[in-house]
Amino acid sequence: DAKTTQPTSMDCAEGRAANLPCNHSTISGNEYVYWYRQIHSQGPQYIIHGLKNNETNEMASLIITEDRKSSTLILPHATLRDTAVYYCIVRSYSGGSNYKLTFGKGTLLTVNP
Amino acid sequence: ETGVTQSPTHLIKTRGQQVTLRCSSQSGHNTVSWYQQALGQGPQFIFQYYREEENGRGNFPPRFSGLQFPNYSSELNVNALELDDSALYLCASSPLVRVGDSYNEQFFGPGTRLTVL
Repeated sequence: DAKTTQPTSMDCAEGRAANLPCNHSTISGNEYVYWYRQIHSQGPQYIIHGLKNNETNEMASLIITEDRKSSTLILPHATLRDTAVYYCIVRSYSGGSNYKLTFGKGTLLTVNP
Repeated sequence: ETGVTQSPTHLIKTRGQQVTLRCSSQSGHNTVSWYQQALGQGPQFIFQYYREEENGRGNFPPRFSGLQFPNYSSELNVNALELDDSALYLCASSPLVRVGDSYNEQFFGPGTRLTVL
């Protein structure tokens, strides 16, 4: 699976949009971009995933650049409960172990009142 | 619908001992993965079980072993515990996914905090 690069930490004001960047310059054609988050002392939680089109669900939006070398997770109206470590993961669907998630260190997003 | 549960919540062991951690997968999920998360790091994949067979393994020694039962629950066993085995152990379950299906969400449990002294 391709390697990802994320900032170590970010701050955001409550009620504002949080934009979390991720670089994945070595991504290949059959690899998806996944985002998970981990609130302190809990297991990781799935947020969203995409291949090349932008995606939106009730939690967030995922914007993937046209060359697919980077993406941005957008939390449109951040709340204090969104304070967590956010992981960007690139994963392929070839091979038998296609359920494996390869986590980096992620970005610690702190939402301030 | 019950989510993924893990037991125990916390555990303290000494070097050289053996430990068994347990996981009940979410209803309808037949795949279970185990991850180790050291302090300040992201989770690292240990192995995955699908229909009671190991279906992929990360870079962990053979003293890390597992089982999956017919009801899809799972155990992680670690023999000859070392200090570096101290970590949060996470179990994740996922539903049967068709080949090529991109929707492959893994549902994580709250984890077991293992401390090796």
